[in-house]
Amino acid sequence: GAGVSQSPSNKVTEKGKDVELRCDPISGHTALYWYRQSLGQGLEFLIYFQGNSAPDKSGLPSDRFSAERTGGSVSTLTIQRTQQEDSAVYLCASSFLSSGRGETQYFGPGTRLLVL
Amino acid sequence: QKEVEQNSGPLSVPEGAIASLNCTYSDRVSQSFFWYRQYSGKSPELIMSIYSNGDKEDGRFTAQLNKASQYVSLLIRDSQPSDSATYLCAVNLGGDMRFGAGTRLTVKP
Repeated sequence: GAGVSQSPSNKVTEKGKDVELRCDPISGHTALYWYRQSLGQGLEFLIYFQGNSAPDKSGLPSDRFSAERTGGSVSTLTIQRTQQEDSAVYLCASSFLSSGRGETQYFGPGTRLLVL
Repeated sequence: QKEVEQNSGPLSVPEGAIASLNCTYSDRVSQSFFWYRQYSGKSPELIMSIYSNGDKEDGRFTAQLNKASQYVSLLIRDSQPSDSATYLCAVNLGGDMRFGAGTRLTVKP
């Protein structure tokens, strides 16, 4: 079956531009997560969506970052006025149900963002 | 103190040996524990999950959980060069998932 998909796979942008990253979770998965991974580093939690509940935005590093999830499926992560320190791999994951964020997460291939 | 701690490595073992990866966590109410493998340039993929104290075996992989001591480990038997990757420990901390920084494993032929 289809896994988590993300687009674009790579994105090069100039400092100050806005970027949008897309995630299409596994069909039927109600929970969706965004993480950021800098080179050689671990996963940094950004935001979590569960069903129709208000998203957990506690990991967003600044107000330049926002995300939405339409119709309980596809999610878009937007970074406004990008900075060079935003360069990283942005990973999306989804899971089935969630009593918190403890269920098995299935990751997409990631979007590699480079801000020049 | 970090919520989920792993030795960053690198851990190097010869082919055929047992690789032992360890993870400690801070929250005693944690109920769910996961090991993910991440090859260089790729996204993490689930290897094993464990929820109860003791050992759980799946092929060459064995996860061990000790809630009293707050650690979870992953043993890889008969290590192969294809096992060379970063291994991420993930813990459900009171309903909130946290990942360790990962341990880089190299299996030398």
